[in-house]
Formats: sequence, structure tokens, C-alpha cells
Amino acid sequence: QSALTQPASVSGSPGQSITISCTGTSNDIGAYNHVSWYQHLPGKAPKLMIYEVSNRPSGVSNRFSASKSGNTASLSISGLQVEDEADYYCSSYTTTSTVVFGGGTKLTVL
Amino acid sequence: EVQLLESGGGLVQPGGSLRLSCAGSGFIFTNYALTWARQAPGKGLEGVSGIGGTGDSTYYADSVKGRVTISRDNSKNTLYLQMSSLRAEDTAVYYCARHTGYYYYYAMDVWGQGTTVTVSS
Repeated sequence: QSALTQPASVSGSPGQSITISCTGTSNDIGAYNHVSWYQHLPGKAPKLMIYEVSNRPSGVSNRFSASKSGNTASLSISGLQVEDEADYYCSSYTTTSTVVFGGGTKLTVL
Repeated sequence: EVQLLESGGGLVQPGGSLRLSCAGSGFIFTNYALTWARQAPGKGLEGVSGIGGTGDSTYYADSVKGRVTISRDNSKNTLYLQMSSLRAEDTAVYYCARHTGYYYYYAMDVWGQGTTVTVSS
């Protein structure tokens, strides 16, 4: 049950676009489309941003998009805004019937 | 309003036990799988344990296997996590989260605010 691999940090300026990668294995990301992304602000409950690889829940801005290729999933944010600054986590269902998270990526909007 | 409210956290000595609870409201409790996730200080999220809507399927992270038991009482709309043989590394904020369907391969769309567990002498 190794955690999925994410970059520790990414940064961008307002208006720019960024992409956060999430690398797993053929036993998690590569096995299913049950990949999701969460935004987490300190002291707050995590918020679902993307489900089933690339679907946005109602109310999530269309500036957020995601995809998957092989064992790697990616979250992209376009038109960065200051309020996007947060920690982002990917998550996947695994072939051992568990749920695994990535280590988290701290997004800084400069 | 759909809500999850955790309780039961606190300070416990190494080797001790604790039971966390998570009360759900605003939705048909039995229709959804639930997960306990945690965030240790300075660390990322970790899926600790999950349970299907009817309670017939469960999962445990290797880090807690044999030391925790997840259960749910659908008549009380409450999820539980019984933790024993607690270690310093179990110190974390524990969140309960609702999956979008009856099984835990679905994403988690509702999260509680968390309850803090501190394991220290």
C-alpha cells in the first residue's frame, strides 16, 4: 500500500496554468478509473474536486480538469487564482480493495 | 444539509485504546460507503479504513491492520473506528468521509471536520 507519488510543491502566478502529477502503479491508477482529486485547506475538511479520473462535481470550477495515462493521473488548473492555494491530493482504489492517497502537493499562487 | 460529525478524539497513552464515532445526517446512511482517513502532523492524507454501505465489506491500511476495527450502525446513522494498541505514529486528525456510492471505490464527496487523536505519555 505505497502512497501515490506527487510533487511536494508547485507554484504559479495568477492567471497561469499548472499541472500536478500523481504516479501510481498497475495495481492502482493503472488498474481502474477510480481516481479522484481533493483540495485541502489547513483546518478545513478536504473537498472533492475530481472523481472517476476527469469528472467535476457540481459547483467545482471548470478551471479544474484532470486526466489519466497509464499509471499516472494529472490535475490541471487554468487561470490560477489566489484562492486556489491549497494542498491537493490524488487518490485511487487499488487491486487489494483499499484506497490509497498521494503524498500531497502544496500549490502556491505567487 | 448533508453532514458528517466526528467525535471521540483525545489524548491517550501509548498502548491505549480509543473509539471514534462519526454521525451522519441529511442522507440515507446505508446507501453509502464510508472511510476513515487521517492526517498526521506535517504529513499527507492516509486512508485508514473503509466500510461498504451494508457493512459487509471492509478494508484496512497495513499501518493499522490488526489494531483497528471499523463498524457502522445504520440504525443510528453512525460510523465507528475502534483503535487499540495505539502508537505515537497514530497521532493525527481523523476524518470520516462519505463515498458517492455503496462501495469505497467511489470518490469521497462529503467530509467531516475531523477529530484529533494524540498518542503520548
